[in-house]
Amino acid sequence: KAGVTQTPRYLIKTRGQQVTLSCSPISGHRSVSWYQQTPGQGLQFLFEYFSETQRNKGNFPGRFSGRQFSNSRSEMNVSTLELGDSALYLCASSFTPGPTGRTEAFFGQGTRLTVV
Amino acid sequence: TQLLEQSPQFLSIQEGENLTVYCNSSSVFSSLQWYRQEPGEGPVLLVTVVTGGEVKKLKRLTFQFGDARKDSSLHITAAQPGDTGLYLCAGFTGKLIFGQGTTLQVKP
Repeated sequence: KAGVTQTPRYLIKTRGQQVTLSCSPISGHRSVSWYQQTPGQGLQFLFEYFSETQRNKGNFPGRFSGRQFSNSRSEMNVSTLELGDSALYLCASSFTPGPTGRTEAFFGQGTRLTVV
Repeated sequence: TQLLEQSPQFLSIQEGENLTVYCNSSSVFSSLQWYRQEPGEGPVLLVTVVTGGEVKKLKRLTFQFGDARKDSSLHITAAQPGDTGLYLCAGFTGKLIFGQGTTLQVKP
């Protein structure tokens, strides 16, 4: 079956602009999580959606937002971009959301965002 | 704040050597996962450990979950160049918390 698809793969934006990233989970998966990966901070949790509802949120400013559609596809939006937002943004889908922790998360290839 | 600390951060070894990567926390996790990430790709799950003291083997990789479920280790026997990559541990407490990762380079 098809894996997690993230679009676009690469993006260059200017400070102050906004950006929308898209994630299509594996068919049948209802949970989608977003992560930001940078060399200095590693992988940091942004938020998780399950059945169109945000279930968990990380410690990021309100400029970072997301949503999930009825077909489980998810988008994340970053407004008023800052240079420090440059990162690899990863989406992961899973069939069963927490709290058992036994769910396997399948990651997409990520969207490389560069803010100039 | 729940933190997962991995050590070492970087490891460069020769093919055939053994190595161990550690993942430590002051928090208890209901489960702990290990992922491997290659450049340009997302992390791929290697194993999930859920029981304190649990040991799992995946070919040349051995994973152990600490008795108190606060730490874990990954041991690779006879490392090969194909093992090169970023190894990440992740603890689950309602959401996945990742360690900083260990970059492993295995030279032929």
